[in-house]
Amino acid sequence: GAVVSQHPSWVICKSGTSVKIECRSLDFQATTMFWYRQFPKQSLMLMATSNEGSKATYEQGVEKDKFLINHASLTLSTLTVTSAHPEDSSFYICSARVVRGYDGYTFGSGTRLTVV
Amino acid sequence: EDQVTQSPEALRLQEGESSSLNCSYTVSGLRGLFWYRQDPGKGPEFLFTLYSAGEEKEKERLKATLTKKESFLHITAPKPEDSATYLCAVGTLGRLYFGRGTQLTVWP
Repeated sequence: GAVVSQHPSWVICKSGTSVKIECRSLDFQATTMFWYRQFPKQSLMLMATSNEGSKATYEQGVEKDKFLINHASLTLSTLTVTSAHPEDSSFYICSARVVRGYDGYTFGSGTRLTVV
Repeated sequence: EDQVTQSPEALRLQEGESSSLNCSYTVSGLRGLFWYRQDPGKGPEFLFTLYSAGEEKEKERLKATLTKKESFLHITAPKPEDSATYLCAVGTLGRLYFGRGTQLTVWP
């Protein structure tokens, strides 16, 4: 139980285009979802926290106009990287808090974004 | 200022050689200390949640312990399949703060 499905696993896009990453909670309702970015051999850096039906809260230094987050339902949150540039290439991971079964945060499998 | 520090950064063990990973933290209002395993190109996989000093949890060859300022992940008689990056995170104010992780390699 408590599975978060993230798609796509990897994506290559041209500079200037937009890319959407989806994160779905398969067997529970996720009121709050989190989006992280991870560089090689680095820690997970929280980008934003999204709450169902309301605007996302972005961490300091994260451009909200570049990283659009939508959490329209209790099972789906999306991250759209707009006008992507090579420096946006990274590993993006979503997460949701689970309070049933075990008290923890479950993570998606991640999306490797490469902007060329 | 780092709030979560993990050591060592990398650890190489021979199969069967037990060891411990350390996670020290400086956050107020701790709402859980979490351990995760991360394989290359994958998202973190949940291992344990600890809430209070003195608490211990075990799963197969792994045992996690918690004091007021640090946590240890003990690995007993590791196998090559235990090779991964082990991440520690502290929960506070409704979010997680992660350490940089310990990259564990277990060779036969």
